[in-house]
Amino acid sequence: GDSVTQMEGPVTLSEEAFLTINCTYTATGYPSLFWYVQYPGEGLQLLLKATKADDKGSNKGFEATYRKETTSFHLEKGSVQVSDSAVYFCSLTGGFKTIFGAGTRLFVKA
Amino acid sequence: GAVVSQHPSRVICKSGTSVKIECRSLDFQATTMFWYRQFPKQSLMLMATSNEGSKATYEQGVEKDKFLINHASLTLSTLTVTSAHPEDSSFYICSASGEVGTDTQYFGPGTRLTVL
Repeated sequence: GDSVTQMEGPVTLSEEAFLTINCTYTATGYPSLFWYVQYPGEGLQLLLKATKADDKGSNKGFEATYRKETTSFHLEKGSVQVSDSAVYFCSLTGGFKTIFGAGTRLFVKA
Repeated sequence: GAVVSQHPSRVICKSGTSVKIECRSLDFQATTMFWYRQFPKQSLMLMATSNEGSKATYEQGVEKDKFLINHASLTLSTLTVTSAHPEDSSFYICSASGEVGTDTQYFGPGTRLTVL
């Protein structure tokens, strides 16, 4: 069945460091790919999405490119801030079912 | 736009009682709503998918008689945890999807249920 694999956390970075959170997937068909962010005690917020191969989703300095050849959707940000500390979930939606990765916790130190 | 609310945000109840959680789409009509459960420091597990006016589709292993889902209108879905037990304590999150064919879900802020 479909699945999403994310790099294990936690990831600890200093402010202004470069961020990469790896995400790979397996799916039949052509799913849409998403990154969500969850702050403590809150629900999920959509961060960005891509619906087809080679699409790049971007928002708030974060970006991810839908790579069909490597079945990946890695999240990147050039310069993280303390306020980016949260849990990030990679997910795919195909056939109206959404599957989430395990989540990666990010800590950004001042 | 695309705001989803949940009520209550936190609830504490005694074992054996039932608890109802509401999920509302505030500024769009949600043809499909999803209910998830999240354990501490873990990912979201889909419990069920509901379409307005029809019975919910439950994921394998989710007891439909224990977790009653009603999607009576295009802006409201409810999850009732019946005869709650401490092991039902969890963070419950709903999401809503708008137009048919769209795959973007908008998430509510979640409801933390604690069963004593």
